Amino acid sequence: GAGVSQSPRYKVAKRGQDVALRCDPISGHVSLFWYQQALGQGPEFLTYFQNEAQLDKSGLPSDRFFAERPEGSVSTLKIQRTQQEDSAVYLCASSLARAGVSNQPQHFGDGTRLSIL
Amino acid sequence: GDSVTQMEGPVTLSEEAFLTINCTYTATGYPSLFWYVQYPGEGLQLLLKATKADDKGSNKGFEATYRKETTSFHLEKGSVQVSDSAVYFCALLTGANSKLTFGKGITLSVRP
Repeated sequence: GAGVSQSPRYKVAKRGQDVALRCDPISGHVSLFWYQQALGQGPEFLTYFQNEAQLDKSGLPSDRFFAERPEGSVSTLKIQRTQQEDSAVYLCASSLARAGVSNQPQHFGDGTRLSIL
Repeated sequence: GDSVTQMEGPVTLSEEAFLTINCTYTATGYPSLFWYVQYPGEGLQLLLKATKADDKGSNKGFEATYRKETTSFHLEKGSVQVSDSAVYFCALLTGANSKLTFGKGITLSVRP
């Protein structure tokens, strides 16, 4: 399909382990976003890439969270030394638009549901 | 900072009933406004959008009008169907940072 693809769909980890979540955006999309969605809440912004440049990481909750998009396509969100409060659905979205262009929608993947035991 | 407030849920309606879901916002500058829908077991999908004041977004029988004077973007549908059962999120985007700010979402259940 031509949509945003995220893997794995579900991830269970023990507290203290490191995890890596993958996002394949729609081909040709310049912008890529990561959001965190806690149970019963709306998604909250984590970080934003324009091509390979990470232009905004203001939403990352701690320095245990790290994201990269080295070739301007696939992105990985890494969480080190996971804690129980990291349990959430992590959503990736991509858009044709660059920052400052708001008329292009963000297309979301199905998310990765992360559970920390 | 930017914020979106949605009415408390859940909402349960009978098929063919009229639907209104309230959404108000606070933002610096001139945001674009969106409604996203999440059907059971699926990801977020864009339902409709409006990019400037007085614009009306519409899709699948749903409508919402960007009201700058009341900072609102209420979602309406004249006759809901069972297939409309889902979680609905109101969101805004300001051009400066391109990030979406979402409301908490509201669960709509439509019974036959």
